Formats: sequence, structure tokens, C-alpha cells
Amino acid sequence: AQTVTQSQPEMSVQEAETVTLSCTYDTSESNYYLFWYKQPPSRQMILVIRQEAYKQQNATENRFSVNFQKAAKSFSLKISDSQLGDTAMYFCAFMKQGGGADGLTFGKGTHLIIQP
Amino acid sequence: EAQVTQNPRYLITVTGKKLTVTCSQNMNHEYMSWYRQDPGLGLRQIYYSMNVEVTDKGDVPEGYKVSRKEKRNFPLILESPSPNQTSLYFCASSWSGDHTGELFFGEGSRLTVL
Repeated sequence: AQTVTQSQPEMSVQEAETVTLSCTYDTSESNYYLFWYKQPPSRQMILVIRQEAYKQQNATENRFSVNFQKAAKSFSLKISDSQLGDTAMYFCAFMKQGGGADGLTFGKGTHLIIQP
Repeated sequence: EAQVTQNPRYLITVTGKKLTVTCSQNMNHEYMSWYRQDPGLGLRQIYYSMNVEVTDKGDVPEGYKVSRKEKRNFPLILESPSPNQTSLYFCASSWSGDHTGELFFGEGSRLTVL
């Protein structure tokens, strides 16, 4: 079974700063996907970014980028020029290729607070 | 608009009173699943369905039932709810079980069992 660990229960930064959220995972699979989901106070789960394990290039989506270190099983999320609307719970998630019974395995989440 | 719709969004009920949380998607997705979210535990999969009439257990299936008679609908049934099923529930769907595309989530259903 896979495990996903987010070691930072809560983080707080000033608006416009850059912040990095940590995520490590444990798996014996060689083909898998990694995701970061955002959950604002509205509770909606929103996909922020995804990474295929077979791709060496780190994924980026506008102000969001990841640092994917496959050998270290690390998948951190960097948010540049943080905005008040980035305040939310952030979940790191793992899915092996084929999904199925395991579905998405989530970390426990990091509560990110952007201060004005 | 592409969406996953759950009902009810909020429900307070009592122990033992059967209830159903409905989930419907309009994207013709094959794969659907249910998760529960609890503080400090993240999201955990309850049941999933790879296609019509194909369902299987996830990580925490005890106390729940599902059915998939139509492609678009995947209701979650609590035959005899108990207080430990108080949680935030999410339905999700995707094109296929291997999730090469995005997993779309509903807006969540807050269930309280007294």
C-alpha cells in the first residue's frame, strides 16, 4: 500500500511571498501519478497540478510548480507571488497507474494561510 | 457545464435511520468513487465503480453500500448510520479508472449522525 506524508499541518506567509509545501510518499510502484489538490473554505476539491512519474520535467501551472524528486520520493509544491485567494487546505495525492481499489491516496493536508 | 452533483449538501440524521446520498455526473465518465474526509486523516476512498454494474470496495467500506445501475449515477447508501459515519463525503468521477485525466469532485456532503 502507498502512503503520503505532509509534514506541515499549517503554514502562514505574507501576500506576494513564495511558499513551498512538502510532500513525501512511499511506494513500490514504478508507474504512478502525483497530484496537488486545493480545498478552499467552500470545500470544493480543485486540482492544482499533476505530475506523471515517468516525466523528468517538473510540472508548472502559472504560479504553481512542483519539485519532483523520484529517487527521494518527494513532491513539493511551490506557490510564487502568493495571493489571498491561495488560502486553503492543500492535499498531496498519489495514484498508481491503473488506479482501481487504491484510487487516490491522500496526505493529511497542509493548511496554508496567506496574510495580507 | 461539466459537473458532479451531490445531494444533500448538508444532512443531520439519527442513528439507524437509513439514508442515501446521491451523486450524478454529466460528463459520461466511466469511473466514479466515494471518499470521506475527516480532520487529520485526509480523504479516504469508500467505494469505487469502474463502469455500470461494476463496483468494489475501497479503503473504508464498512457501513456503506453503493450501486451503479446507470453510468451517470452512483448513490452512497448508509443502511444504518452510526455516529462514526459523521463526516464530509465527496463523490468523484473520471474518464476511466486509470485517471490519466482529471478526477472531478462534487462539492461535498456534510453528514452528521446523532
